[in-house]
Amino acid sequence: DQQVKQNSPSLSVQEGRISILNCDYTNSMFDYFLWYKKYPAEGPTFLISISSIKDKNEDGRFTVFLNKSAKHLSLHIVPSQPGDSAVYFCAASVYNTDKLIFGTGTRLQVFP
Amino acid sequence: DTGVSQDPRHKITKRGQNVTFRCDPISEHNRLYWYRQTLGQGPEFLTYFQNEAQLEKSRLLSDRFSAERPKGSFSTLEIQRTEQGDSAMYLCASSGGSGLAGVSEQFFGPGTRLTVL
Repeated sequence: DQQVKQNSPSLSVQEGRISILNCDYTNSMFDYFLWYKKYPAEGPTFLISISSIKDKNEDGRFTVFLNKSAKHLSLHIVPSQPGDSAVYFCAASVYNTDKLIFGTGTRLQVFP
Repeated sequence: DTGVSQDPRHKITKRGQNVTFRCDPISEHNRLYWYRQTLGQGPEFLTYFQNEAQLEKSRLLSDRFSAERPKGSFSTLEIQRTEQGDSAMYLCASSGGSGLAGVSEQFFGPGTRLTVL
Protein backbone atom coordinates (compact mmCIF):
# COMPACT_ATOMS: atom_id res chain seq x y z
CA ASP A 1 0.00 0.00 0.00
CA GLN A 2 1.78 3.08 -1.28
CA GLN A 3 0.70 5.90 1.02
CA VAL A 4 2.82 8.51 -0.77
CA LYS A 5 2.75 8.50 -4.55
CA GLN A 6 4.81 10.26 -7.14
CA ASN A 7 3.17 9.29 -10.38
CA SER A 8 5.67 10.90 -12.72
CA PRO A 9 8.90 8.91 -12.77
CA SER A 10 10.68 11.57 -14.81
CA LEU A 11 10.45 15.20 -15.87
CA SER A 12 12.51 17.16 -18.38
CA VAL A 13 12.60 20.98 -18.23
CA GLN A 14 14.57 23.63 -20.01
CA GLU A 15 16.96 25.78 -17.99
CA GLY A 16 15.28 28.95 -16.73
CA ARG A 17 11.78 27.48 -16.86
CA ILE A 18 9.66 26.30 -13.96
CA SER A 19 9.83 22.70 -12.76
CA ILE A 20 6.73 21.33 -11.05
CA LEU A 21 6.98 18.03 -9.21
CA ASN A 22 3.84 16.46 -7.84
CA CYS A 23 3.03 14.18 -4.94
CA ASP A 24 -0.21 12.60 -3.73
CA TYR A 25 -0.89 10.93 -0.41
CA THR A 26 -3.64 8.74 0.93
CA ASN A 27 -3.21 8.86 4.71
CA SER A 28 -5.24 11.75 6.14
CA MET A 29 -3.21 11.51 9.36
CA PHE A 30 -0.10 12.88 7.63
CA ASP A 31 0.52 16.39 8.85
CA TYR A 32 4.09 17.16 7.88
CA PHE A 33 5.60 16.93 4.42
CA LEU A 34 9.14 17.20 3.15
CA TRP A 35 10.99 17.21 -0.16
CA TYR A 36 14.42 15.67 -0.57
CA LYS A 37 16.81 15.77 -3.49
CA LYS A 38 19.14 12.88 -4.26
CA TYR A 39 22.19 12.74 -6.49
CA PRO A 40 23.66 9.38 -7.53
CA ALA A 41 25.85 7.73 -4.88
CA GLU A 42 24.76 10.24 -2.23
CA GLY A 43 22.13 10.22 0.48
CA PRO A 44 18.97 12.33 0.15
CA THR A 45 19.43 16.02 0.92
CA PHE A 46 16.66 17.93 2.68
CA LEU A 47 15.18 20.72 0.55
CA ILE A 48 12.03 22.15 2.05
CA SER A 49 9.14 21.17 4.30
CA ILE A 50 5.60 22.21 5.09
CA SER A 51 3.23 21.65 7.97
CA SER A 52 -0.42 20.85 7.39
CA ILE A 53 -1.38 24.13 9.03
CA LYS A 54 0.06 25.95 6.03
CA ASP A 55 -0.67 25.78 2.32
CA LYS A 56 2.55 27.29 1.05
CA ASN A 57 6.18 27.51 2.08
CA GLU A 58 8.88 29.26 0.13
CA ASP A 59 12.65 29.11 0.30
CA GLY A 60 14.55 30.87 -2.44
CA ARG A 61 13.87 29.17 -5.76
CA PHE A 62 11.85 26.40 -4.07
CA THR A 63 8.18 26.62 -3.13
CA VAL A 64 6.02 23.82 -1.78
CA PHE A 65 2.24 23.98 -2.06
CA LEU A 66 -0.11 21.81 -0.02
CA ASN A 67 -3.74 21.10 -0.92
CA LYS A 68 -5.12 19.13 2.01
CA SER A 69 -8.57 18.57 0.53
CA ALA A 70 -7.02 16.97 -2.54
CA LYS A 71 -4.25 15.27 -0.51
CA HIS A 72 -1.78 16.73 -2.96
CA LEU A 73 1.44 18.66 -2.71
CA SER A 74 3.77 20.06 -5.29
CA LEU A 75 7.28 21.44 -5.43
CA HIS A 76 7.97 24.37 -7.73
CA ILE A 77 11.51 25.23 -8.75
CA VAL A 78 11.95 28.51 -10.55
CA PRO A 79 14.10 29.23 -12.38
CA SER A 80 15.34 25.70 -12.98
CA GLN A 81 19.09 25.21 -13.25
CA PRO A 82 21.15 22.30 -14.62
CA GLY A 83 22.43 21.62 -11.10
CA ASP A 84 18.84 20.83 -10.08
CA SER A 85 19.01 17.64 -12.14
CA ALA A 86 18.50 14.87 -9.58
CA VAL A 87 15.86 12.53 -8.18
CA TYR A 88 13.32 14.28 -5.97
CA PHE A 89 11.51 12.43 -3.20
CA CYS A 90 8.37 13.53 -1.44
CA ALA A 91 8.02 12.32 2.17
CA ALA A 92 5.31 12.53 4.80
CA SER A 93 5.00 12.01 8.53
CA VAL A 94 2.35 11.79 11.21
CA TYR A 95 2.79 14.14 14.17
CA ASN A 96 5.43 12.91 16.63
CA THR A 97 5.92 9.54 14.94
CA ASP A 98 9.26 10.57 13.43
CA LYS A 99 8.92 7.93 10.71
CA LEU A 100 9.10 9.33 7.19
CA ILE A 101 7.11 7.65 4.43
CA PHE A 102 8.68 8.30 1.05
CA GLY A 103 7.33 8.31 -2.47
CA THR A 104 9.14 6.51 -5.28
CA GLY A 105 10.80 9.65 -6.61
CA THR A 106 10.77 11.77 -9.76
CA ARG A 107 13.91 12.17 -11.85
CA LEU A 108 14.27 15.78 -12.95
CA GLN A 109 16.51 16.67 -15.85
CA VAL A 110 17.18 20.32 -16.58
CA PHE A 111 18.70 20.86 -20.00
CA PRO A 112 20.34 24.02 -21.38
CA ASP B 1 32.65 17.79 7.86
CA THR B 2 29.84 17.75 10.41
CA GLY B 3 27.33 15.69 8.40
CA VAL B 4 26.15 12.12 8.89
CA SER B 5 28.82 9.57 7.98
CA GLN B 6 28.45 5.88 7.19
CA ASP B 7 30.98 3.11 6.92
CA PRO B 8 31.61 1.22 4.74
CA ARG B 9 30.25 2.87 1.61
CA HIS B 10 30.14 -0.43 -0.23
CA LYS B 11 29.98 -4.02 0.98
CA ILE B 12 29.96 -7.18 -1.11
CA THR B 13 29.31 -10.40 0.73
CA LYS B 14 28.31 -13.97 0.09
CA ARG B 15 24.90 -15.29 1.04
CA GLY B 16 24.87 -16.55 4.59
CA GLN B 17 27.57 -14.23 5.87
CA ASN B 18 27.02 -11.60 8.58
CA VAL B 19 27.62 -7.91 7.90
CA THR B 20 27.73 -4.85 10.13
CA PHE B 21 27.36 -1.21 9.15
CA ARG B 22 28.21 1.86 11.19
CA CYS B 23 26.57 5.28 11.27
CA ASP B 24 27.90 8.41 12.95
CA PRO B 25 25.17 11.05 13.26
CA ILE B 26 25.52 14.80 13.45
CA SER B 27 27.03 15.29 16.90
CA GLU B 28 24.26 17.33 18.53
CA HIS B 29 21.42 15.17 17.16
CA ASN B 30 19.67 12.85 19.61
CA ARG B 31 17.61 10.90 17.08
CA LEU B 32 19.04 8.38 14.64
CA TYR B 33 17.20 6.48 11.92
CA TRP B 34 17.91 3.57 9.59
CA TYR B 35 16.23 3.25 6.19
CA ARG B 36 16.62 0.84 3.30
CA GLN B 37 16.34 1.81 -0.34
CA THR B 38 16.02 -0.60 -3.26
CA LEU B 39 16.19 0.25 -6.93
CA GLY B 40 13.31 2.39 -8.13
CA GLN B 41 11.89 2.88 -4.65
CA GLY B 42 12.07 5.57 -2.04
CA PRO B 43 13.76 4.94 1.31
CA GLU B 44 11.79 2.63 3.63
CA PHE B 45 11.90 3.10 7.38
CA LEU B 46 13.58 0.33 9.38
CA THR B 47 14.07 1.63 12.92
CA TYR B 48 14.95 4.66 14.99
CA PHE B 49 16.63 5.61 18.26
CA GLN B 50 16.21 8.48 20.62
CA ASN B 51 19.54 8.62 22.41
CA GLU B 52 20.30 4.96 23.20
CA ALA B 53 16.69 3.78 23.25
CA GLN B 54 15.31 1.99 20.21
CA LEU B 55 11.77 3.35 19.99
CA GLU B 56 10.30 1.80 16.87
CA LYS B 57 11.04 -1.09 14.56
CA SER B 58 9.43 -1.72 11.18
CA ARG B 59 8.03 -5.11 10.28
CA LEU B 60 10.66 -4.97 7.51
CA LEU B 61 13.24 -5.54 10.22
CA SER B 62 13.28 -9.32 10.47
CA ASP B 63 14.94 -11.29 13.27
CA ARG B 64 18.13 -11.38 11.23
CA PHE B 65 18.50 -7.62 11.62
CA SER B 66 19.64 -5.92 14.79
CA ALA B 67 20.48 -2.31 15.45
CA GLU B 68 22.19 -0.76 18.44
CA ARG B 69 23.17 2.66 19.65
CA PRO B 70 25.01 1.82 22.85
CA LYS B 71 26.03 5.26 24.08
CA GLY B 72 23.56 7.39 22.24
CA SER B 73 26.17 8.42 19.69
CA PHE B 74 27.06 6.13 16.77
CA SER B 75 24.86 3.23 15.72
CA THR B 76 25.46 -0.16 14.14
CA LEU B 77 23.15 -2.23 11.96
CA GLU B 78 23.94 -5.93 11.74
CA ILE B 79 22.43 -8.38 9.28
CA GLN B 80 22.96 -12.03 10.08
CA ARG B 81 22.82 -14.84 7.52
CA THR B 82 22.46 -12.43 4.62
CA GLU B 83 20.15 -13.26 1.74
CA GLN B 84 20.17 -11.94 -1.81
CA GLY B 85 17.00 -10.00 -1.02
CA ASP B 86 18.97 -7.95 1.50
CA SER B 87 20.87 -6.27 -1.34
CA ALA B 88 20.00 -2.58 -1.06
CA MET B 89 21.29 0.82 -0.03
CA TYR B 90 21.17 1.20 3.75
CA LEU B 91 20.73 4.82 4.75
CA CYS B 92 21.23 6.40 8.13
CA ALA B 93 19.74 9.75 9.13
CA SER B 94 19.77 11.91 12.22
CA SER B 95 17.67 14.74 13.57
CA GLY B 96 17.71 17.10 16.48
CA GLY B 97 14.37 16.10 17.94
CA SER B 98 11.04 17.87 17.79
CA GLY B 99 10.84 20.93 15.63
CA LEU B 100 7.90 22.31 13.76
CA ALA B 101 4.76 20.31 14.42
CA GLY B 102 6.75 17.78 16.47
CA VAL B 103 8.83 16.56 13.56
CA SER B 104 12.23 17.83 12.60
CA GLU B 105 14.03 17.41 9.35
CA GLN B 106 16.14 14.29 9.02
CA PHE B 107 19.62 14.60 7.57
CA PHE B 108 20.90 11.60 5.66
CA GLY B 109 24.31 10.04 5.29
CA PRO B 110 25.70 8.80 1.95
CA GLY B 111 24.51 5.23 2.59
CA THR B 112 26.10 1.79 2.53
CA ARG B 113 25.43 -0.20 -0.62
CA LEU B 114 25.16 -3.90 0.18
CA THR B 115 25.45 -6.54 -2.51
CA VAL B 116 24.78 -10.14 -1.50
CA LEU B 117 26.06 -12.70 -4.00
